[in-house]
Amino acid sequence: DIQMTQSPSSVSASVGDRVTITCRASQDISTWLLWYQQKPGKAPNLLIFLASHLQSGVPSRFSGSGSGTDFTLTISSLQPEDFAIYYCQQAKSFPLTFGGGTKVEIK
Amino acid sequence: QLQLQESGPGLVKTSETLSLTCTVSGGSISSTDYSWGWIRQPPGKGLEWIGNINHRGDTFYSLSLKSRITISVDTSRSQVSLNLNSVTATDTAVYYCARWSDSLGSFDPWGQGTLVTVSS
Repeated sequence: DIQMTQSPSSVSASVGDRVTITCRASQDISTWLLWYQQKPGKAPNLLIFLASHLQSGVPSRFSGSGSGTDFTLTISSLQPEDFAIYYCQQAKSFPLTFGGGTKVEIK
Repeated sequence: QLQLQESGPGLVKTSETLSLTCTVSGGSISSTDYSWGWIRQPPGKGLEWIGNINHRGDTFYSLSLKSRITISVDTSRSQVSLNLNSVTATDTAVYYCARWSDSLGSFDPWGQGTLVTVSS
């Protein structure tokens, strides 16, 4: 299995802050990397596919980068509605695997 | 707009079989561009992929669950089904179905999820 490691596991930030979350794969996954946002009691919502492509309808303050084994999700200016848990997922091969999640909390 | 809705018992007894159905509406379940997947999330924990099924009926399962799970598609009813047998308390989770894009390698959209509790 390809292991996905996210860091940090949680981050406290204020509205307007720039937030960066990292995800590391245990082997080369090229750009087969997704980012999801999950709010309490809701299903995950796709933010970014193929490492850097913004899903339709997702605000441009979200961006993704990386290839190979190291990836980042950046929120350029944190908004109140962005406080949530973020997950990365590799799509290089089955079995599909998710990172452990990063909780973005209000500072 | 494609919508997915999970349904099934909210409580299953230990050692029995968990059976869930995902009903797809607003689009074709038979599209060759997409597959269908199940993902679960234990209370307060992260996401765990369970398995996928494509339009040919090929299945791909989590290695840790492979011996206990079956995923199938009923195109006449636009439903994807999940059966997980010999359940224990560790199978307690919110179970989600989602559409899988083979070209983008992504789950979108997701159903709202259904909580299944395993208890004796």
